[in-house]
Amino acid sequence: AQKVTQAQTEISVVEKEDVTLDCVYETRDTTYYLFWYKQPPSGELVFLIRRNSFDEQNEISGRYSWNFQKSTSSFNFTITASQVVDSAVYFCALYEETSGSRLTFGEGTQLTVNP
Amino acid sequence: NAGVTQTPKFHILKTGQSMTLQCAQDMNHGYLSWYRQDPGMGLRRIHYSVAAGITDKGEVPDGYNVSRSNTEDFPLRLESAAPSQTSVYFCASSWSGTEEFSNQPQHFGDGTRLSIL
Repeated sequence: AQKVTQAQTEISVVEKEDVTLDCVYETRDTTYYLFWYKQPPSGELVFLIRRNSFDEQNEISGRYSWNFQKSTSSFNFTITASQVVDSAVYFCALYEETSGSRLTFGEGTQLTVNP
Repeated sequence: NAGVTQTPKFHILKTGQSMTLQCAQDMNHGYLSWYRQDPGMGLRRIHYSVAAGITDKGEVPDGYNVSRSNTEDFPLRLESAAPSQTSVYFCASSWSGTEEFSNQPQHFGDGTRLSIL
C-alpha cells in the first residue's frame, strides 16, 4: 500500500492565485514525521518543513502554510499569491520511527505557475 | 561547508558497462543513503548506511552495490548497467538515530543524471 499519496500529478495556476498541494499518508506508528521538499527545475531538493505527529499546529512561513490533520492523515501545503518562481515539483515525505531511518516519498506534484 | 557532494552530475553509459557514482559529505553524518528518482514514482531508496562499515538494502537494491569504508564517502556502483537504471540519483545524509534523524532533515546532494543506452 502506498504510504504517501500525492494525488495531484500536475497543477497549473496563474500567478497570484492560491494553490494547495495535497498529501495523504498512511502509518501505524504513533511517532512519525512529515516533510515537504521542493525540487526546482535545476534539480536539487530543498527542504521546506518538518512536522512531528504530536504537533498538529498549522504553520505559516511567508506565503507558505501547512495544514496537518491527523484525523484525515493529511499534511497539505498551501502557497498564497503564487509566483513564477514557485514552479517546481513538490514532494511530501514520511518518516516512521520504526522504519529504520527510511524516508518514504510521495510521487510528487508538478506545480506550474504561469505569468 | 560543501554539505553533500555528488559526482558526476551527468553521465551516459552503454548497457553492460560499469560505473561508480560518488557521494561525499563533510558534516560528520552517520546516516547516508542513495535514492533514485523516476517520473511518477517519487524517490525510492536503493541502499543506506547508518555508520562506516555498515550497509543495508533499501527498497530497490537490485543491480546496485555500495560500500562504506569511512564516514565521509558512500559510493554507489552499477556493475552491469541496464536501461532500466536510467534515472536521477540522489545521495542524502543525516545524523543517525531516530531522534537525530527525525530532528534533522536529510541533506541531499544535487543529483546525478544517468542515462543508459
